[in-house]
Amino acid sequence: DQQVKQNSPSLSVQEGRISILNCDYTNSMFDYFLWYKKYPAEGPTFLISISSIKDKNEDGRFTVFLNKSAKHLSLHIVPSQPGDSAVYFCAATDQGAQKLVFGQGTRLTINP
Amino acid sequence: EPEVTQTPSHQVTQMGQEVILRCVPISNHLYFYWYRQILGQKVEFLVSFYNNEISEKSEIFDDQFSVERPDGSNFTLKIRSTKLEDSAMYFCASSVDRVHTGELFFGEGSRLTVL
Repeated sequence: DQQVKQNSPSLSVQEGRISILNCDYTNSMFDYFLWYKKYPAEGPTFLISISSIKDKNEDGRFTVFLNKSAKHLSLHIVPSQPGDSAVYFCAATDQGAQKLVFGQGTRLTINP
Repeated sequence: EPEVTQTPSHQVTQMGQEVILRCVPISNHLYFYWYRQILGQKVEFLVSFYNNEISEKSEIFDDQFSVERPDGSNFTLKIRSTKLEDSAMYFCASSVDRVHTGELFFGEGSRLTVL
């Protein structure tokens, strides 16, 4: 039961270019979405979130876009930096839940 | 900067043994969680805990699992009789407010290896 899917297990981007990570969800009750970044041997760290009442949220180099009709969200990183190399997890939750549902993660590698 | 701390960082145990994983959440946080990640797979929710009781749990969190907040600072996950498939990285997390309104802060994880 994969309610949150990240179909790209890996992505390689050149330093300075845009990184676009994608996430799809199936549960129409989800109304709050988050992106977490994870380095090896560390726990996930929060990056950015978006509520379903918005279609875009921006924080510095990071922008999350939400397309509710397509049940799709994406994370844009501009410009990409070597320190952005990590695994990125998309997560979702709904009003009544006390849990995050995570996707499988996308390993982003930024090449110099 | 406040952080969630977990001990041990790595534990190796024999199948059938009891294991206790410990967590110290951030001090002013009220909501506590355990997640796990089997190698190469997604992060999975186990349980959430608020006001000294479980507020939600997953199908994974069966009778072999229990959580406790024995004092004002620690939050523990106990696995009574470990199975091979319990081998995973276990992450503790905490938050000030409900999941829906805020972010979770995760610890660095406790790797459990069941032989």
